[in-house]
Amino acid sequence: AQTVTQSQPEMSVQEAETVTLSCTYDTSESDYYLFWYKQPPSRQMILVIRQEAYKQQNATENRFSVNFQKAAKSFSLKISDSQLGDAAMYFCAYYNRNSGNTPLVFGKGTRLSVIA
Amino acid sequence: DVKVTQSSRYLVKRTGEKVFLECVQDMDHENMFWYRQDPGLGLRLIYFSYDVKMKEKGDIPEGYSVSREKKERFSLILESASTNQTSMYLCASRSAGVTGELFFGEGSRLTVL
Repeated sequence: AQTVTQSQPEMSVQEAETVTLSCTYDTSESDYYLFWYKQPPSRQMILVIRQEAYKQQNATENRFSVNFQKAAKSFSLKISDSQLGDAAMYFCAYYNRNSGNTPLVFGKGTRLSVIA
Repeated sequence: DVKVTQSSRYLVKRTGEKVFLECVQDMDHENMFWYRQDPGLGLRLIYFSYDVKMKEKGDIPEGYSVSREKKERFSLILESASTNQTSMYLCASRSAGVTGELFFGEGSRLTVL
């Protein structure tokens, strides 16, 4: 069974600095998607970034980028120029494209604090 | 934009009550999911439905049931609420077989006294 591990339950970063959240996963599949979701306090979970396993280029969305290491099964999220609004729970997730309707597999999350 | 609406943001119920949590999505998504979120435990899947009238157990289905009579609506039912079901409940939906991306509702925080 696929698993997703986020080894950092909590992280903190100074405003305007850069922080990297770690995620590793275990799978024998070759065709899959990886996601980072953000859940601000008392607010809706939203997608931050998505990476397709067959794409070698790391995905980027404004200040958010990933370091996707397929062989190492690692998928870290880098947040540049951190802002107070980045404070949230961040969840890493995996989806096997060959599995049809099966659910995403989530990590347990990393709580990010941003210090002014 | 996809909208997933959960009927109640906050509920307080008593032990033994029957509780209904409703979720409606407006994007004709085939798949719908109910998760439970607790500190330190992340998201745990309770039930999911890949189409109307279809349902599958997730990781923690005990004490819960679901109903999907219409494509847009997925209900989570606690037949007899217990204090250990005090939690945040998240509903999500997605289009089948595309990227797997989930769209979440705002969550329903349930307190069982």
